[in-house]
Amino acid sequence: DIQMTQSPSTLSASVGDRVTITCRASQSIRSWLAWYQQKPGKAPKLLIYEASNLESGVPSRFSGSGSGTEFTLTLSSLQPDDFATYYCQQYNSDWTFGQGTKVEIK
Amino acid sequence: EVQLLESGGGLVQPGGSLRLACAASGFAFSTYAMSWVRQAPGKGLEWVSSISGGGHFTNYSGSVKGRFTVSRDNTKNTLYLQINSLRAEDTAVYYCAKGRGGPYYLDYWGQGTLVTVSS
Repeated sequence: DIQMTQSPSTLSASVGDRVTITCRASQSIRSWLAWYQQKPGKAPKLLIYEASNLESGVPSRFSGSGSGTEFTLTLSSLQPDDFATYYCQQYNSDWTFGQGTKVEIK
Repeated sequence: EVQLLESGGGLVQPGGSLRLACAASGFAFSTYAMSWVRQAPGKGLEWVSSISGGGHFTNYSGSVKGRFTVSRDNTKNTLYLQINSLRAEDTAVYYCAKGRGGPYYLDYWGQGTLVTVSS
């Protein structure tokens, strides 16, 4: 099974900050990686697919990069609506989620 | 507009069974793979099971294989998850989600249904 490891687990930041979340796969997943945002009590929302493709309707301040085993999600300028938990997910072999990164207000 | 509406959750005793349903609308249901993902209280997301558009191919996570069965009725635009031999660790919100791409990721999610396993 492919394991996904996100870091950090929690991130404290301020509005306007640039934020980067890292996701590592236990083996190569090529570019088969998605990122999701989840707010308390809500379903996850797709942000990025195939490592770097922005889902329709998602603000351009979100971006993804990477391939193989190392991936990043970047928020160029954190907005109040962005405080949430973010998950990476590999879909190269079955589906595995990272443990999540909670972005908190500093 | 894509809509996914789960139902069937509730309180069940250990060893019991439930059948979850996910009613889909707003897209050509039979042409898309579907998945179930669960989230234990205060925990992260865990993929549970997936099924191809035609229903011929299914996958399960190791933690549920042999106890859970995914199926779909394309005439009713509905996805199902039969969950048997329930354990306390199966307590979670269960989400259904629509697949997109090949291999596929999950582009739309339902609001979830809570399954609580307790005596």
